[in-house]
Amino acid sequence: KNQVEQSPQSLIILEGKNCTLQCNYTVSPFSNLRWYKQDTGRGPVSLTIMTFSENTKSNGRYTATLDADTKQSSLHITASQLSDSASYICVVRPGSSASKIIFGSGTRLSIRP
Amino acid sequence: EAQVTQNPRYLITVTGKKLTVTCSQNMNHEYMSWYRQDPGLGLRQIYYSMNVEVTDKGDVPEGYKVSRKEKRNFPLILESPSPNQTSLYFCASNRDREREQFFGPGTRLTVL
Repeated sequence: KNQVEQSPQSLIILEGKNCTLQCNYTVSPFSNLRWYKQDTGRGPVSLTIMTFSENTKSNGRYTATLDADTKQSSLHITASQLSDSASYICVVRPGSSASKIIFGSGTRLSIRP
Repeated sequence: EAQVTQNPRYLITVTGKKLTVTCSQNMNHEYMSWYRQDPGLGLRQIYYSMNVEVTDKGDVPEGYKVSRKEKRNFPLILESPSPNQTSLYFCASNRDREREQFFGPGTRLTVL
């Protein structure tokens, strides 16, 4: 069964610190993996996308990595800011055109001043 | 400004009273979807549409209807809402299957 699991469920860190969020998936075949940021009460917004052949992608202070062999991705946030407080959702698109995209349940990140 | 709009943003209603949540996008996207988001469960797809007059069920379609008569609009219809449909609903659109989804601001629905 295609699944996407994220860890931790929630995380609290101090402003200025770095953190890493994890995403493990069992989707096969695999087309691409996206990380979305969802601010409280708003819709998700795409941060990065990676295909099978890519192993790292950056967007400002956000860096996503992908290991297609172990089916793991991580999102690293550098020098966190209060505005990084949000939920981060990992989304995997299967390679089969008949299969729907699969959402992880998200990691809730809180940045404390 | 490219965007997906939803209305209403907040709605409190009673069991059995039919309601419609509208969704509109101005990006000429082919694909549109409806999701519900519940604590601990993440986003779950209700229905999606690949083009005008082409719709299909997602993972949790029971109790919902949709229509796609125009490319820009994709309303979600609850014919007889029940309390278990209390949730946060998102509409999304994308240019094609591989492209990024753009999400609306969400509609928080409470069914009493």
